Amino acid sequence: EIVLTQSPGTLSLSPGERATLSCRASQSVTSTYLAWYQQKPGQAPRLLIYGASNRATGIPDRFSGSGSGTDFTLTISRLEPEDFAVYYCQQYGSSPYTFGQGTKLEIK
Amino acid sequence: QVQLVQSGAEVKKPGASVKVSCKASGYTFTNYDINWVRQATGQGLEWMGWMNPTSGNTGYAQKFQGRVTMTSNTSISTAYMELSSLRSEDTAVYYCARKYDFWSGYAYLPCFDPWGQGTLVTVSS
Repeated sequence: EIVLTQSPGTLSLSPGERATLSCRASQSVTSTYLAWYQQKPGQAPRLLIYGASNRATGIPDRFSGSGSGTDFTLTISRLEPEDFAVYYCQQYGSSPYTFGQGTKLEIK
Repeated sequence: QVQLVQSGAEVKKPGASVKVSCKASGYTFTNYDINWVRQATGQGLEWMGWMNPTSGNTGYAQKFQGRVTMTSNTSISTAYMELSSLRSEDTAVYYCARKYDFWSGYAYLPCFDPWGQGTLVTVSS
């Protein structure tokens, strides 16, 4: 089973700042099979990034994804108030299709 | 628009079974796998398995093997997830999600999009 470890667990930043979220895999993951999701309280997760670096439809260009192998990053260039949420990475290369434990992005 | 609508909250006793439904609209139901993911209160996302509505083929996470059954009724574009021998640790919100493959020009890029709104299953005596 591929374990995805996200860091930090909690990130405290102010609107307008840059956020960098990390997702590290226990084994190499083909970048094709790495996605990021955003989840707000009481809501279902929403697709942000697929194939490690491709924004989903309607996702603002302040969100970007990068990485390969075992290290992947989600960057939010300038935080907006609506960006404060929990973010999960997921791999779909090897069953079980695991998620990271999440990074909570909170307002400082 | 593409949408997955799930059935309402359930309260079950330990040892019972629960069956959650997920009705698809806005796309051809038989063209995409449905996955199920659960989330205990305050916890992260846990993938449970997938089901292909056309073939009926399934793939389950080992943790749930023998306790979970994923099925569908293509005539009403609805997927189902049944979990048996419930215990308190199964209390969670259960989500269905469509597996969608974006074509990049050289490879298919899979992801879960969209997700259902979630169904709270509470297991309590």
